[in-house]
Amino acid sequence: EDQVTQSPEALRLQEGESSSLNCSYTVSGLRGLFWYRQDPGKGPEFLFTLYSAGEEKEKERLKATLTKKESFLHITAPKPEDSATYLCAVQGHYSGYSTLTFGKGTMLLVSP
Amino acid sequence: ETGVTQSPTHLIKTRGQQVTLRCSSQSGHNTVSWYQQALGQGPQFIFQYYREEENGRGNFPPRFSGLQFPNYSSELNVNALELDDSALYLCASSLALAGRGEQFFGPGTRLTVL
Repeated sequence: EDQVTQSPEALRLQEGESSSLNCSYTVSGLRGLFWYRQDPGKGPEFLFTLYSAGEEKEKERLKATLTKKESFLHITAPKPEDSATYLCAVQGHYSGYSTLTFGKGTMLLVSP
Repeated sequence: ETGVTQSPTHLIKTRGQQVTLRCSSQSGHNTVSWYQQALGQGPQFIFQYYREEENGRGNFPPRFSGLQFPNYSSELNVNALELDDSALYLCASSLALAGRGEQFFGPGTRLTVL
């Protein structure tokens, strides 16, 4: 059974204080690892897809990296508008279809 | 390019009733997946539709059923509602490419069962 564990559950940062979120996973036949941002009461917003160990992707203050067992979302000099829940998901392949298995998310609060 | 849309935004039902939620997929996408997200949890896969047929299902009972239409829009039906069905229901569309492909989510439908 595919599993995704995210840590920490919650993280409070001061504006400009860089940090990293962790996503540990086990999956049979990884097709991709996804990061989403979710604001309260809204649907997840796609951020990145990583397909193979060693791959890195960047978008503004966010950088996602991938190893064979975990992924990190690095946040550099965060701003209050980066406050949200960040979800990690793995895409596995099953008989005839592929779907996403999500972690519980890391709730990030950035204070001015 | 039109994103994923869902209706209604909010819904309140009582235990034992039935509900239908609707989803329009992103332009050009042929696959629709439905997820249930309880408060404080990550989304959980319910089922997936491709070419108007269910081609994958998570650990949800048969009272959760769905449809996909020729224009790739989709419905989620839940019969005999239970209190634990209260959640945010998310629809995601994707373009099936050899089992890969990003899934783009709609804003969700908040269902409350009293």
